[in-house]
Amino acid sequence: GAGVSQSPRYKVAKRGQDVALRCDPISGHVSLFWYQQALGQGPEFLTYFQNEAQLDKSGLPSDRFFAERPEGSVSTLKIQRTQQEDSAVYLCASSPSPGRSGNTIYFGEGSWLTVV
Amino acid sequence: GENVEQHPSTLSVQEGDSAVIKCTYSDSASNYFPWYKQELGKRPQLIIDIRSNVGEKKDQRIAVTLNKTAKHFSLHITETQPEDSAVYFCAATLFYTGGFKTIFGAGTRLFVKA
Repeated sequence: GAGVSQSPRYKVAKRGQDVALRCDPISGHVSLFWYQQALGQGPEFLTYFQNEAQLDKSGLPSDRFFAERPEGSVSTLKIQRTQQEDSAVYLCASSPSPGRSGNTIYFGEGSWLTVV
Repeated sequence: GENVEQHPSTLSVQEGDSAVIKCTYSDSASNYFPWYKQELGKRPQLIIDIRSNVGEKKDQRIAVTLNKTAKHFSLHITETQPEDSAVYFCAATLFYTGGFKTIFGAGTRLFVKA
């Protein structure tokens, strides 16, 4: 596709419900990131994949958050037993390579999660 | 880990004036510094970037400067226009074995008054 695609764009979940957010990166992009953006804040790093390997999950706020990218392309961010504080925009981003000289990351439009 | 501070949080300028946004970073190993613009309800989009081996970069009305010693970098927008109104994020990228991580500032909301 032309850009990073995320679905659903909007999700309302009842507290305690599980949600799954999907990211389809730019074709051929090796690196994939998930960020959480609360209202009025900057994107906060959650996790990073290089192909199918999850190299960094230091930003995941709790063990209720889980991400996978089993075939090195599409990724899913799963949030179990959602809480109100999970309400945010979840941004996926991808980058062409893990290169060492500076890599631009390209964002999707985000999945807006509201927990009620 | 890396930490990025951004100031001011809100900036209001008159059309045609200049706007300056300043950021500092904590990890001297960071060596790539992109700037993103985010309009309401849209994705962050890259507007300019600078690498650590360069002190300044310009692209039309936008320029970025980097002071590696002080760990400061800044975005300068000249001749501002109403369509420049948006939230701007600075970021610092840290490379490590096998990968990299981009950490963002909290954002500056820029209002350009016509």
